[in-house]
Amino acid sequence: EAGVAQSPRYKIIEKRQSVAFWCNPISGHATLYWYQQILGQGPKLLIQFQNNGVVDDSQLPKDRFSAERLKGVDSTLKIQPAKLEDSAVYLCASSLATSGSRFADTQYFGPGTRLTVL
Amino acid sequence: AQSVAQPEDQVNVAEGNPLTVKCTYSVSGNPYLFWYVQYPNRGLQFLLKYITGDNLVKGSYGFEAEFNKSQTSFHLKKPSALVSDSALYFCAVRPRGDMRFGAGTRLTVKP
Repeated sequence: EAGVAQSPRYKIIEKRQSVAFWCNPISGHATLYWYQQILGQGPKLLIQFQNNGVVDDSQLPKDRFSAERLKGVDSTLKIQPAKLEDSAVYLCASSLATSGSRFADTQYFGPGTRLTVL
Repeated sequence: AQSVAQPEDQVNVAEGNPLTVKCTYSVSGNPYLFWYVQYPNRGLQFLLKYITGDNLVKGSYGFEAEFNKSQTSFHLKKPSALVSDSALYFCAVRPRGDMRFGAGTRLTVKP
């Protein structure tokens, strides 16, 4: 079974530029998550999709971050414009989302995209 | 506030010795608890989770964790550490919302 795919693996941009990350979840996984992991910290949820609908985006800085999951499969996360403090690893995860116990679902993570904002 | 804490930034053990990576949590209700491992330049890999039932959970690569409700802890353990176990370990708790991760514990196993 193929895992969660992410691209690019690394990205270096200057502040105020824009950047986009792509994620392809495990086939059949209805739920998709984007996390931000700042160096020395645990991942922090940015947004959660159930199929192509947003379940939770309460921690997404909506003035500069946006995400979409068209057709309920692949997803893109965009930052525009980027700030220095956006330097982090952006992790995508997916889960099967079995009904009745979605909070117990195991999340499977991709390798992440390391973003450096100069 | 719902949170999870990993009180040790770093744990060092000798190969062949038992290892413990500590995790405590603070949530209302019955939480779901998870352990993940992260190797350099890679995403998080699932090790094990506690949902309900037996307090001792067995997971991947010989790891296990014990859920202790009275102490609100979920420590990760392995009877005999390997050098290849050296990595960053994250405890996570999921009450009824988003998953909350600890800051991570770096485990170093020395030959």
